[in-house]
Amino acid sequence: QKEVEQNSGPLSVPEGAIASLNCTYSDRVSQSFFWYRQYSGKSPELIMSIYSNGDKEDGRFTAQLNKASQYVSLLIRDSQPSDSATYLCAVKRKSGSRLTFGEGTQLTVNP
Amino acid sequence: EAGVTQFPSHSVIEKGQTVTLRCDPISGHDNLYWYRRVMGKEIKFLLHFVKESKQDESGMPNNRFLAERTGGTYSTLKVQPAELEDSGVYFCASSPRPGGSDTQYFGPGTRLTVL
Repeated sequence: QKEVEQNSGPLSVPEGAIASLNCTYSDRVSQSFFWYRQYSGKSPELIMSIYSNGDKEDGRFTAQLNKASQYVSLLIRDSQPSDSATYLCAVKRKSGSRLTFGEGTQLTVNP
Repeated sequence: EAGVTQFPSHSVIEKGQTVTLRCDPISGHDNLYWYRRVMGKEIKFLLHFVKESKQDESGMPNNRFLAERTGGTYSTLKVQPAELEDSGVYFCASSPRPGGSDTQYFGPGTRLTVL
């Protein structure tokens, strides 16, 4: 079993729709959770971090964390073509600094 | 403020040759990380420096890989001798001092191809 699993994708949504990206993790001692966006050939860019159960909203982005279910998700409202990218879920343990990544989900927003 | 930079952006070498990758972290960031993504797989941790000290090198695949961070500024990752399975994208990331923000800022990566 992989430590971090993401819905395999690719995911395609129409412009203006809600894109839902999901991630599950196996290590219960994970404490910090991150969503990175990566455009082709570019740096992974942090878009959301979440540390506590519940929802965290930032503009069109909402991260949701459920530690009991070991599940973290990212919702993108009013999706735009510029949101088309690969979204990477990453988790970090309380001890140590390494990030453990999922394989990523490729999102395409169609105009 | 400049972000994390990496050099070169691409490198193509023959099996058995040596390659050195360089990473310049964000100025003032004590933490520096190396990660690697091989084709079709997830990004995987290689090692972590705090200033010039190796804090965690448990992700280094074997002794053909040598990372240094002399003076606690930029870092190099040397692969000697390179093998076919070393091909992939090597990312560097940095974050502020220990105990501060744990956000890791990534560079654009070096794409290494071993023929």
